[in-house]
Amino acid sequence: KQEVTQIPAALSVPEGENLVLNCSFTDSAIYNLQWFRQDPGKGLTSLLLIQSSQREQTSGRLNASLDKSSGRSTLYIAASQPGDSATYLCAPDTGGGNKLTFGTGTQLKVEL
Amino acid sequence: GAVVSQHPSWVICKSGTSVKIECRSLDFQATTMFWYRQFPKQSLMLMATSNEGSKATYEQGVEKDKFLINHASLTLSTLTVTSAHPEDSSFYICSARDRVSGVYNEQFFGPGTRLTVL
Repeated sequence: KQEVTQIPAALSVPEGENLVLNCSFTDSAIYNLQWFRQDPGKGLTSLLLIQSSQREQTSGRLNASLDKSSGRSTLYIAASQPGDSATYLCAPDTGGGNKLTFGTGTQLKVEL
Repeated sequence: GAVVSQHPSWVICKSGTSVKIECRSLDFQATTMFWYRQFPKQSLMLMATSNEGSKATYEQGVEKDKFLINHASLTLSTLTVTSAHPEDSSFYICSARDRVSGVYNEQFFGPGTRLTVL
């Protein structure tokens, strides 16, 4: 059974800082891994999807890396802004699109 | 593209009543839709996977007679919480896979439905 851990559980940083969110998973037989953000009381917004054959994926100020063999992924956020404040979830897929397992998330607060 | 909607966005009901939640893929056809539940300060837990035209597959510990799922078309899946009780109060989120998913096999998520059972 896939287990996903995200560290830290919560993070508060001043605006402009670069930061790294960590995700580890126990079953390395994944098809891909997705990073999402969730605003309070809202659904999920997909940020990045990394295929199992890829090492990293970039979108704007976001960069996600994947080390499948060691069961780790990181989400790097450059030049953080208050609008980045949200909960960030990682979800490895062990079912070819049919089996996402979510971590408990990292709650990020970017302060002015 | 790849928009998923849910209706209603929130609902309050009395204990013992049934509530239906709709999940629609607006601009694509979804052969597979998923239903998740999220309790406060917890992560999303997969409840069931539904394929168009067939019975849903429920995760261990999820009562199929309590959470009825129907996926009658390629753009609509419904979740009915029968005889709802306060412990069913939660945030329910659906997702869908595009029938033509290419290499990404990505799931697209709806905005969620907040259910409160009094």
